[in-house]
Amino acid sequence: TQLLEQSPQFLSIQEGENLTVYCNSSSVFSSLQWYRQEPGEGPVLLVTVVTGGEVKKLKRLTFQFGDARKDSSLHITAAQPGDTGLYLCAGVVSGGGADGLTFGKGTHLIIQP
Amino acid sequence: SQTIHQWPATLVQPVGSPLSLECTVEGTSNPNLYWYRQAAGRGLQLLFYSVGIGQISSEVPQNLSASRPQDRQFILSSKKLLLSDSGFYLCAWSPSPQSNQPQHFGDGTRLSIL
Repeated sequence: TQLLEQSPQFLSIQEGENLTVYCNSSSVFSSLQWYRQEPGEGPVLLVTVVTGGEVKKLKRLTFQFGDARKDSSLHITAAQPGDTGLYLCAGVVSGGGADGLTFGKGTHLIIQP
Repeated sequence: SQTIHQWPATLVQPVGSPLSLECTVEGTSNPNLYWYRQAAGRGLQLLFYSVGIGQISSEVPQNLSASRPQDRQFILSSKKLLLSDSGFYLCAWSPSPQSNQPQHFGDGTRLSIL
């Protein structure tokens, strides 16, 4: 059983379109992070959200943490080819220790020019 | 600023051969250190983590082992590689104690077992 479910697994859209990807769980997380990974490289941190209902913006990317801290979403406005990559969400389970970071399987995003 | 280095970037090894992957962190002290394996369609699987020199916790039983001989050095090893050990291996660090801190990753090692 996957603790963090990400959807969709794959998404291919045209440049300029908007999109939302989701990260869901039945567990409560004390914080949740989003990473982007390009082929042959390690994941790079985009944002950390810690408060239920929190919204953070990073240029055209908007991240939201659910009120109950069980889910999160990433919305991209006017997607560009440079947004292509694997988007991973990862959560710190409430009460977790040094090994508390749990990763979803990721959403493979392709933005076609 | 903190940096993390992993090497080699790619490695092709025959079945049954030994393995040693190295990871070092610069610019921080007493970090938590992690080894992950990433296989297609399976996400990141935590293999080992360490909260200090000589302290290793294993998450999954396997023929791999890890060691932390120095504060900022983390080594992944195997005495005899299996075909199933193929994958993309990632080292990561986070501030200690972790408590809501993100993990920062190296560029990974692509390991192919023939």
